Formats: sequence, structure tokens, C-alpha cells
Amino acid sequence: GQNIDQPTEMTATEGAIVQINCTYQTSGFNGLFWYQQHAGEAPTFLSYNVLDGLEEKGRFSSFLSRSKGYSYLLLKELQMKDSASYLCAAMDSNYQLIWGAGTKLIIKP
Amino acid sequence: GAVVSQHPSWVICKSGTSVKIECRSLDFQATTMFWYRQFPKQSLMLMATSNEGSKATYEQGVEKDKFLINHASLTLSTLTVTSAHPEDSSFYICSATTGTSSTGANVLTFGAGSRLTVL
Repeated sequence: GQNIDQPTEMTATEGAIVQINCTYQTSGFNGLFWYQQHAGEAPTFLSYNVLDGLEEKGRFSSFLSRSKGYSYLLLKELQMKDSASYLCAAMDSNYQLIWGAGTKLIIKP
Repeated sequence: GAVVSQHPSWVICKSGTSVKIECRSLDFQATTMFWYRQFPKQSLMLMATSNEGSKATYEQGVEKDKFLINHASLTLSTLTVTSAHPEDSSFYICSATTGTSSTGANVLTFGAGSRLTVL
């Protein structure tokens, strides 16, 4: 079956760095997405990886290893506003998005 | 940037009534929109793909007669929850493809979501 695994919750300190991991199993693969979702709001797009390696975009970076079925989202210089859920989603061979349950990131001062 | 407007944000209704949720693409045309449902602390679940001018494509397990989708124009898709029951209480979110990422992927823009509570 198709499956996405990511930690349920993580805690980090303002100004620090945090890495949120995601492993996936899909029927075929057409890329890995990361979305940010604040409580009670809709998700917003953060990144997309389809090739192995690291994609850097400001304070956020995303990494993909297709051979390992693994991705991570790296957040640097954490700010209080980064407190949110981070959703990992893999696109299968039918271009369907398979969503993880999200990782709730708590930032402490 | 592209905006997807969803209305209403909150709705409370009595069991047995029907509720309509609207999803509009502002400043762009969306031939395809997606409807998701999200229960608390769970992942987004795709309910159906809404195609302008044709019938929606429903995911397995989603009752098409209960969740009516209409995509009559390039800027509006509606989801009607018919004869709603308490178990239908959830967060419903629509989205549309609004462009491509730097690596060529289709990017989804989401509406703000509609929280439905059925009493």
C-alpha cells in the first residue's frame, strides 16, 4: 500500500534549526511536496523535490533521496511564526498526492 | 499571486439539512479543482476532482450522491453535503493548480477551508 510517515510532533527553540523527516512508499513516484499549515487554516506550498539532493529557499530547505524513499524539511533561524504543522505529500504514478498526517512544530522562546 | 476563495469559513447546521460550500478562483481560470476533507490531527484526504463542464471524479469510498460537486464555470466549484449528519463534521478544503514550481511541478493553492459542524 501507499504510506507516508512523519513524526507527530516536534519542539524546537527560537533561533535554532530543526529537521522534519518524512519517509514514503508509493506506487511510482512523481515528486515530494512540503506544505505548511497553521492551525485552522489551509496548507500553503513550501517546496517540491523530484530529483535527489537539497533545494534551498531562504530559511527553508528540502532534501530528497529517491533510493531511500526519504525526504526532510530543514528550517533555520526559527521564528515563533514557524509554529505550524508541516505536511509531507508524495505524488504517485497517477499524479495523485498521498498526504502524511503532518508534523506539529512547536517553537519555544 | 493566485488566490482561491472559499466560502463559508464556518457553518453549523442541523442534522438532515444540506450545506453548500463554494470555491472560487480569483484572477485565474481553474479547469480542475480538488476537494479535500481533513479530520482533526489527520492528513488531508482527497474526496474528488472537479472538472469544469463534466462530472466530478470521486475517490473510492466517497459517496457521490452525498457529496455533490458542481463545476459549472471556470472560476467556481461547489461542494454540497446533502442530508448532513454529525459524522460529516470536518474541515473541507478546496484547491486548484495555480502554477509550477522552479522544478516544474504543478503547485496547488488552497482555499482557506470551511469548518462544518453538524449538530
